[in-house]
Amino acid sequence: DIQMTQSPSSVSASVGDRVTITCRASQGISSWLAWYQQKPGKAPKLLIYAASSLQSGVPSRFSGSGSGTDFTLTISSLQPEDFATYYCQQANSFPLGFGQGTRLEIK
Amino acid sequence: QLQLQESGPGLVKPSETLSLTCTVSGGSISSSSYYWGWIRQPPGKGLEWIGSIYYSGSTYYNPSLKSRVTISVDTSKNQFSLKLSSVTAADTAVYYCAIVVVAARAWYFDLWGRGTLVTVSS
Repeated sequence: DIQMTQSPSSVSASVGDRVTITCRASQGISSWLAWYQQKPGKAPKLLIYAASSLQSGVPSRFSGSGSGTDFTLTISSLQPEDFATYYCQQANSFPLGFGQGTRLEIK
Repeated sequence: QLQLQESGPGLVKPSETLSLTCTVSGGSISSSSYYWGWIRQPPGKGLEWIGSIYYSGSTYYNPSLKSRVTISVDTSKNQFSLKLSSVTAADTAVYYCAIVVVAARAWYFDLWGRGTLVTVSS
């Protein structure tokens, strides 16, 4: 199985800050990676697929990059509604798997 | 637009079978554009893919659960279902159904239901 490791596990930031979350795969997955946002008590929401493609309706302050084993999610200017937990997901092979999550908190 | 809604018992006894249904509205489960999936999340923990199904009945399971999981589809009711047998407290989780988009061999969870909490307890 491909293991997905996110860092950091949690991060504190302020509105307007630029934040980067990293996801590393235990083996190469090309660009087959997605990012999800989950707010408390809600279902996850797809933000980015294919490592860097923005899902329809997602603000352009979200961006993704990377290929192979190392990927990043960047939020260019944090908004109040962005404080949530973020998960990466490898979409390359079965079993599909998620990172452990990164909790983005208000400083 | 497509919407998903999970339904089923919120409490299951240990050793019994957990059964959930996901009802698809706003579109057809027989669409060739989508697969359908189940994901779970234990309280305060991360996400685990359980398995996925195509409208034709082709299934794909997480090996860690495969011996206990059955996912099926009922196109006449626009529903797909999850059965998880021999449950223990470790199966307590919020269970989500989701639309799966397969693009260039990659599988993404495009839209999720609200989720339903299933507690395993006697």
